[in-house]
Amino acid sequence: EAQVTQNPRYLITVTGKKLTVTCSQNMNHEYMSWYRQDPGLGLRQIYYSMNVEVTDKGDVPEGYKVSRKEKRNFPLILESPSPNQTSLYFCASSLFTSTNEKLFFGSGTQLSVL
Amino acid sequence: GIQVEQSPPDLILQEGANSTLRCNFSDSVNNLQWFHQNPWGQLINLFYIPSGTKQNGRLSATTVATERYSLLYISSSQTTDSGVYFCAVGSSGTYKYIFGTGTRLKVLA
Repeated sequence: EAQVTQNPRYLITVTGKKLTVTCSQNMNHEYMSWYRQDPGLGLRQIYYSMNVEVTDKGDVPEGYKVSRKEKRNFPLILESPSPNQTSLYFCASSLFTSTNEKLFFGSGTQLSVL
Repeated sequence: GIQVEQSPPDLILQEGANSTLRCNFSDSVNNLQWFHQNPWGQLINLFYIPSGTKQNGRLSATTVATERYSLLYISSSQTTDSGVYFCAVGSSGTYKYIFGTGTRLKVLA
């Protein structure tokens, strides 16, 4: 089954404790990206990647890191989480084609930083 | 950067009613998509529609790129249509996506 898989689904941590949220897709998509969703703000893009070893900042990159060492994986790293990073996080992927660039989303990761 | 506005912010319908959701954007785009976030938080892609009209069952969408808006039509609404509808645009020359703040739809039985 074609899917984007995020782990974990829920995560509670404390300020300053490094964490990684994993994202994997099995559709051979070139494009992958991370978003955070906060009440009243919709989804905001954190980072995106056009292919292996090619990443760039979205609108809210501060406090986050990413890497794209393999095409299928795009982990999100919070090296020193703070309470303002408490949010619902989504990973997404898509093909780059001229006729269809539909984004497919993972199930989300609810992060609480205490 | 591009601004994306969705209207209305909230909508309550009786089952069987029709509705139109609107997405306005402030600059030219090369990518526009509609999503449904169900009550469990899952985001489902409804349409990839940078221009023109598409239909999928009871849902259809139209984007008029020259006038910078897109419309999502829901006909004969069902309770399972409840949730939040987002539009997202990708601006020309970048790979960024900008989401609107959504329309929250509740369909009553």
